[in-house]
Amino acid sequence: EDQVTQSPEALRLQEGESSSLNCSYTVSGLRGLFWYRQDPGKGPEFLFTLYSAGEEKEKERLKATLTKKESFLHITAPKPEDSATYLCAGLGSASKIIFGSGTRLSIRP
Amino acid sequence: NAGVTQTPKFRVLKTGQSMTLLCAQDMNHEYMYWYRQDPGMGLRLIHYSVGEGTTAKGEVPDGYNVSRLKKQNFLLGLESAAPSQTSVYFCASSYSIGVGNTEAFFGQGTRLTVV
Repeated sequence: EDQVTQSPEALRLQEGESSSLNCSYTVSGLRGLFWYRQDPGKGPEFLFTLYSAGEEKEKERLKATLTKKESFLHITAPKPEDSATYLCAGLGSASKIIFGSGTRLSIRP
Repeated sequence: NAGVTQTPKFRVLKTGQSMTLLCAQDMNHEYMYWYRQDPGMGLRLIHYSVGEGTTAKGEVPDGYNVSRLKKQNFLLGLESAAPSQTSVYFCASSYSIGVGNTEAFFGQGTRLTVV
């Protein structure tokens, strides 16, 4: 059965303090590994899709990477506006998109 | 483009009542999904559809039914609401044909309370 696990559940950083969020996955026939950002009271907002091991994508202070078992979301010199819940999800051969439980990121000024 | 639109945005039901949540997308997407989100549990897949006239069960399908009579619409039904179905419901759609374009785009959610 497809499974996506994220860690840590919550992360508090000082502004400018870089860190990484982890996503471990077991998804049969991976067709895409996704990262989303979710703000309170809103729907998830798409950030990145990764398709194969070794692939990397960047957007502003965020960089997503993919291995055969894990994905990482690296946050460089974060700002308070980066505070949100970050969700990882996998699409497999069964056409289901399965989500992890998310990492709540808080950036203190 | 409106993207993915969910109706209604808020609803309070009494135990045993029925209701239908409507999801509409204007992006000509093939795949559509219904999720529920509870505190600390992330998004859990209820049902999904890979095309008009098709539906399939997700991780937590019990107590829900779905229909996809038109490509742009995906309906989620609760026949007899229970307090355990109090949650925020999200609809999503994706193109998912061939290589690439597999990411899903979400609506703003429906907050449902069953008393």
